[in-house]
Amino acid sequence: QKEVEQNSGPLSVPEGAIASLNCTYSDRGSQSFFWYRQYSGKSPELIMFIYSNGDKEDGRFTAQLNKASQYVSLLIRDSQPSDSATYLCAVRDGGTSYGKLTFGQGTILTVHP
Amino acid sequence: DVKVTQSSRYLVKRTGEKVFLECVQDMDHENMFWYRQDPGLGLRLIYFSYDVKMKEKGDIPEGYSVSREKKERFSLILESASTNQTSMYLCASNAPGTGELFFGEGSRLTVL
Repeated sequence: QKEVEQNSGPLSVPEGAIASLNCTYSDRGSQSFFWYRQYSGKSPELIMFIYSNGDKEDGRFTAQLNKASQYVSLLIRDSQPSDSATYLCAVRDGGTSYGKLTFGQGTILTVHP
Repeated sequence: DVKVTQSSRYLVKRTGEKVFLECVQDMDHENMFWYRQDPGLGLRLIYFSYDVKMKEKGDIPEGYSVSREKKERFSLILESASTNQTSMYLCASNAPGTGELFFGEGSRLTVL
């Protein structure tokens, strides 16, 4: 079974710090990688996706992908209390075009003032 | 605004009851999914559908079935609910070839 593993949490960082969230995946054929944010009591929402090796930046968020190491990460710069949420790493199945995603178990991030 | 609507936010059922969870999307998406979410386990795929009347098992289909008679509606059925099916159930949809899932608000099911 294809697996997606996230670094164990919860993760607590002070306001203004960089939060680093990590994820590894087992299916070497995976092509697309996603980070979802889920606030308590709410549904997940997409915040970043990355397809190519390297970094992708969007505002305070940077996604990093290393396919050789089967590793994807999310960096949140200048963390704010509003970033406190569960972050879910998701990997799209490389063998299908149906858009099926496999999710990691999530990392709870708390940003304290 | 895109929308995925799940019919019930909270349900309480008894062991052995048949349970229907309904999901409707208004984005004309071909793909629809049912996940369950449990603490420490993340989201696990139960079933998905890539077209009307088409379905595929996900990672944990045991004890569940699905129905997709119309493109916009995808139903999850628990034929005989058990206590280990107490969970948050999330419906999602997307267009083919994309990874962005649009989720409903979730249905929290408690089986007593």
